[in-house]
Amino acid sequence: EDQVTQSPEALRLQEGESSSLNCSYTVSGLRGLFWYRQDPGKGPEFLFTLYSAGEEKEKERLKATLTKKESFLHITAPKPEDSATYLCAVQASGAQKLVFGQGTRLTINP
Amino acid sequence: EAQVTQNPRYLITVTGKKLTVTCSQNMNHEYMSWYRQDPGLGLRQIYYSMNVEVTDKGDVPEGYKVSRKEKRNFPLILESPSPNQTSLYFCASSRRADSYEQYFGPGTRLTVT
Repeated sequence: EDQVTQSPEALRLQEGESSSLNCSYTVSGLRGLFWYRQDPGKGPEFLFTLYSAGEEKEKERLKATLTKKESFLHITAPKPEDSATYLCAVQASGAQKLVFGQGTRLTINP
Repeated sequence: EAQVTQNPRYLITVTGKKLTVTCSQNMNHEYMSWYRQDPGLGLRQIYYSMNVEVTDKGDVPEGYKVSRKEKRNFPLILESPSPNQTSLYFCASSRRADSYEQYFGPGTRLTVT
């Protein structure tokens, strides 16, 4: 069974303090790994898609990386507006659905 | 503006009273999906549709129905709601089934008493 585990469940940082969020996955052939951002009371917002080990994607202060077993979302010099829940999801080869992790709730204190 | 809309945004109802949550997208997307989000369980897929008149079960379809008569609309129907269907529901769409840049709606918070 395809599975996604995110850690930590919650992370509190000071503004400017860089860190990483982890997404570990087991899937029968990875088609793609996806990162979303979710603000309270809103729907998830797409951030990145990664398809193969070694791939990296960047957007502003965020960088996503992928290995054969896990993905990291690196946050460099975060700002309070980066506070949100970050969701990781995988799609298995031949599957028509996403399997989501439970998310990491990130809080950036000014 | 490209978007996915859901109605209603909030709904409180009683056990057994049939309800429909509407979902509409204006991006001409082929793929649409319904999720529920519960604390500690994350987002779980209820049903999905790869195109008009093509629907299939996700991970938690029991107690739900869907239909896809038009490309833009994908309503979620609860024929006899029960308290365990109290949840936050999201509709999502993407250009194709293999294009998973999914756009999510704002969510519908449903309470069944």
